[in-house]
Amino acid sequence: KNQVEQSPQSLIILEGKNCTLQCNYTVSPFSNLRWYKQDTGRGPVSLTIMTFSENTKSNGRYTATLDADTKQSSLHITASQLSDSASYICVVRGGADGLTFGKGTHLIIQP
Amino acid sequence: DAGVIQSPRHEVTEMGQEVTLRCKPISGHDYLFWYRQTMMRGLELLIYFNNNVPIDDSGMPEDRFSAKKPNASFSTLKIQPSEPRDSAVYFCASGRLAGPYNEQFFGPGTRLTVL
Repeated sequence: KNQVEQSPQSLIILEGKNCTLQCNYTVSPFSNLRWYKQDTGRGPVSLTIMTFSENTKSNGRYTATLDADTKQSSLHITASQLSDSASYICVVRGGADGLTFGKGTHLIIQP
Repeated sequence: DAGVIQSPRHEVTEMGQEVTLRCKPISGHDYLFWYRQTMMRGLELLIYFNNNVPIDDSGMPEDRFSAKKPNASFSTLKIQPSEPRDSAVYFCASGRLAGPYNEQFFGPGTRLTVL
């Protein structure tokens, strides 16, 4: 069964610090992996998308990495800001299920 | 473009009542998705349409749920009769899925509470 596991489930860090969110998946065959940011009370918004051949992709202070061999991805946030407080959802496309969603990491940035 | 529009934003109803959620996708998008999000289960795909045709409704939990897309600019998700376990945030998303860089644009969601 296709699965996407995210860790940690929740994370609290101080403003200005860096953090890394993890996403492990078992989806096969793999097509692409996308990270979404979901602010409280809003719909998810895409941050990055990576295909099999891409190892890293940046979007401002967000950098996503992908290791297709180990089926792992990470989202690194540099110099966190209060506006980074949100849920971050990893979504993998591929396999018979089409899209498989992780349950997200709830990130809180404290001043 | 205003993005994906959903209404109502909040709905509180009593068990047994019919609930209708509405969605207007982004103009030109040929795919439309309905999702349900809860703390326990995260985001779950309920059904999606391609050019007004339902393609995969395997995520629809049971016969109480139905979805329609009568034209390119409108879709509804109906729950009849509603139950307390249907309480969740329901998202509509639209997109073009051609190629690997498919992206879905989500609406703001409808928060449904069934008492």
